[in-house]
Amino acid sequence: DQQVKQNSPSLSVQEGRISILNCDYTNSMFDYFLWYKKYPAEGPTFLISISSIKDKNEDGRFTVFLNKSAKHLSLHIVPSQPGDSAVYFCAASAYGAGNMLTFGGGTRLMVKP
Amino acid sequence: NAGVTQTPKFQVLKTGQSMTLQCAQDMNHNSMYWYRQDPGMGLRLIYYSASEGTTDKGEVPNGYNVSRLNKREFSLRLESAAPSQTSVYFCASSGPVNTEAFFGQGTRLTVV
Repeated sequence: DQQVKQNSPSLSVQEGRISILNCDYTNSMFDYFLWYKKYPAEGPTFLISISSIKDKNEDGRFTVFLNKSAKHLSLHIVPSQPGDSAVYFCAASAYGAGNMLTFGGGTRLMVKP
Repeated sequence: NAGVTQTPKFQVLKTGQSMTLQCAQDMNHNSMYWYRQDPGMGLRLIYYSASEGTTDKGEVPNGYNVSRLNKREFSLRLESAAPSQTSVYFCASSGPVNTEAFFGQGTRLTVV
């Protein structure tokens, strides 16, 4: 049973518009959440994170929102750029489990010029 | 700054053969990890090492062994490769709790 789920395998967005990637989790012990970006033939690279004591974290064009009661987080990219086209993974770590990450299945984002 | 370095980048094995995937990090991180990535399943943790001298099983450890050779190096061994182990393998390292993990470029392994 997947503890972290990304229900949309793919998303297509026009350049300049907002991209919204969603992630749901089931484990109440998760207290730290991360988004990673992955290009083909490369390793995942860290994008942005959020602690469970916050509900929003911003870094430039990227904002992550956390709704603990719904066990849901989302990544907003505004404005979207063609270079953002990649696979995005949501990940979570549990209290007391160090930095061991549980990943979602990924969402492939395609930003069209 | 190299970060996390994995070797080899590609490997083809026959069923039953053995091999070791090598990983080294130069960030002085205590924790290191091995993940495998399969289509639609994200990355799944195989083994991890919270510090030099310790290793623990992750979500999918069967068929694998690991060695934390020193603080920098963490290797993954397949003793008798099976087609189900065809995957992309990523090594990662991390520092303090609630900080990001850094990943290597991956090893694409095919078992025929």
